[in-house]
Formats: sequence, structure tokens, C-alpha cells
Amino acid sequence: AQSVTQLDSHVSVSEGTPVLLRCNYSSSYSPSLFWYVQHPNKGLQLLLKYTSAATLVKGINGFEAEFKKSETSFHLTKPSAHMSDAAEYFCVVSEQGGSEKLVFGKGTKLTVNP
Amino acid sequence: KAGVTQTPRYLIKTRGQQVTLSCSPISGHRSVSWYQQTPGQGLQFLFEYFSETQRNKGNFPGRFSGRQFSNSRSEMNVSTLELGDSALYLCASSNGPHGYTFGSGTRLTVV
Repeated sequence: AQSVTQLDSHVSVSEGTPVLLRCNYSSSYSPSLFWYVQHPNKGLQLLLKYTSAATLVKGINGFEAEFKKSETSFHLTKPSAHMSDAAEYFCVVSEQGGSEKLVFGKGTKLTVNP
Repeated sequence: KAGVTQTPRYLIKTRGQQVTLSCSPISGHRSVSWYQQTPGQGLQFLFEYFSETQRNKGNFPGRFSGRQFSNSRSEMNVSTLELGDSALYLCASSNGPHGYTFGSGTRLTVV
């Protein structure tokens, strides 16, 4: 069965500094991987997705993630944090085999300090 | 195009009651999934419907049920509500395994 581990429950950065949110996955199939963001009292917004094409995936708002099969990782990065990036981020793996079930990590809360 | 619409946005119910939540997917999307989000358990999969058939189900008791109509709109029902059912319930619609769009959710509070 698929699983996702987000290595940090809370990350704090200063505005203008790089962001790194770490995610490791476990999957029996070739996985589809996603990063979603959730602002307070909001639903989930897709940042980016990996679906076995390019290993470096670019998303919205300057975020990108690199799929590393050898390390079973899919870390999310952004060169320069903005105050509006403060939110909770979820790494997600999709089960294959005709079932569209998403398995979520526990989330990483990103704080951006001025 | 319109996104995923969930109604109502907020609900307050009493223990023992039942509740029905609604989800209207993006036009053309045939798959609808439901998730429960709580501070303790995070986001957990409830069930997924495709063309009016339940295709997958998570590890929730039988009090949680759902259905999908011919227009792809979906409802989920929780009977005999418990305090622990208080959560944000999120619906996602999809047109394939690589695209999931979530609604804003229904915040259910059980008192």
C-alpha cells in the first residue's frame, strides 16, 4: 500500500529565504505524486503534480518539486518565500490500478517571518 | 469553469442526528471522492464514486455512506452522529488519475 511521510511537521523561514518541505513516499506502483496547499479555513489547492513525465516539476507561485526514485523522495522547494506562502502543505500519493484514492501525508505547517 | 461546489459550508448537529452533505463536481468529471480532515487523524479517504458506482471505500464505519447521481453530483450521509465526527469534509472531483480538484469543504460540528 502507498504511504507518504512528511519529515517536518513545522517549518519556519524568513521572508525572501528559500523554502524546503520534505516528503518521502512508499508505493508498489509507479506513483503519481502531488503537493497541495491549504490556507486557514480553506479547501485544498493543487500546487504541482508528478505523473511519470519530467522528474523536475514546476508548479504555481514559484514552487517546484523533484521526483527522485532512488531516494523515494518528492521534496517541495521555492527559492524565495513570501508572506502569502504561510499555510499547511500536504504531500500526496495516488494509488494506481484504476482506483483514484489519494493518500495524504500529515502535513507541514509553513510559517514565514517578516 | 465552475469549481467543485460543496454545500452547506457549515453545519452544527446534535449527537445521534444524521446529516447529508452535497458535492457538485466540475462539469464533465465523473469521479467524486470524499475525505475527512481532523486535527488528530489528518486527511483520510472515505469513499470514491465513479459513474454512480462506489469504486473504493476507506476504513470508516457503516454510519458513513454515500451515493452518486446520474449527473455526477454526490452526497454523503452520516447517521447517528458522534462527537468524533466533527471535521472538515472535503470533496474532490476528477477526470482521471492525474487531476483532482477539491471543494472548499463542509465544516461539521457535532455537539
